[in-house]
Amino acid sequence: GAGVSQSPSNKVTEKGKDVELRCDPISGHTALYWYRQSLGQGLEFLIYFQGNSAPDKSGLPSDRFSAERTGGSVSTLTIQRTQQEDSAVYLCASSLGPSPDTQYFGPGTRLTVL
Amino acid sequence: AQSVAQPEDQVNVAEGNPLTVKCTYSVSGNPYLFWYVQYPNRGLQFLLKYITGDNLVKGSYGFEAEFNKSQTSFHLKKPSALVSDSALYFCAVRTRSNDYKLSFGAGTTVTVRA
Repeated sequence: GAGVSQSPSNKVTEKGKDVELRCDPISGHTALYWYRQSLGQGLEFLIYFQGNSAPDKSGLPSDRFSAERTGGSVSTLTIQRTQQEDSAVYLCASSLGPSPDTQYFGPGTRLTVL
Repeated sequence: AQSVAQPEDQVNVAEGNPLTVKCTYSVSGNPYLFWYVQYPNRGLQFLLKYITGDNLVKGSYGFEAEFNKSQTSFHLKKPSALVSDSALYFCAVRTRSNDYKLSFGAGTTVTVRA
């Protein structure tokens, strides 16, 4: 079946601009996660959704970062007033539920802030 | 807090030789342990997981891992490496008390030479 998809695959933006990153989870998966992968920080957890609710936003690096999920499906990660340190690969994952179910990852969005 | 250590940044082996990628963890409570592999410019692919039961877990592409509670380790192994196994490998941990957030190790780059 179809896996997790993310768009765009690459995004180049200028410092100070806002960006939106999209994630389409595997159909039927109720849990959705955002992670960030960067050279200096490795893989970091950002936020977790169960349905449309985000019980844990503790990983969001600053108030410039926000995320939403609608209809229990698609999620959007928004970064406002981008900074160069936001440059990273943003990975989305989904799982059937929040238990030890396996998280399946999308291909990621590579964000470059000039 | 939960954490994962992958003590080797790089592992180099000849094709046909055994491959081992080391992982140790630190959690309070029972761990759920995962291995993922990442090929260049790709997302993370799930290899295998340990939740409970048999300490030896078999996964995709001929990989297996052994959960050792006394040594708090979950090393990934393959009896006979292939050139196509060359990739970046990540160990990750979750716990029952924090059952959604994956904490990742820094990753180990595996190079299998022909």
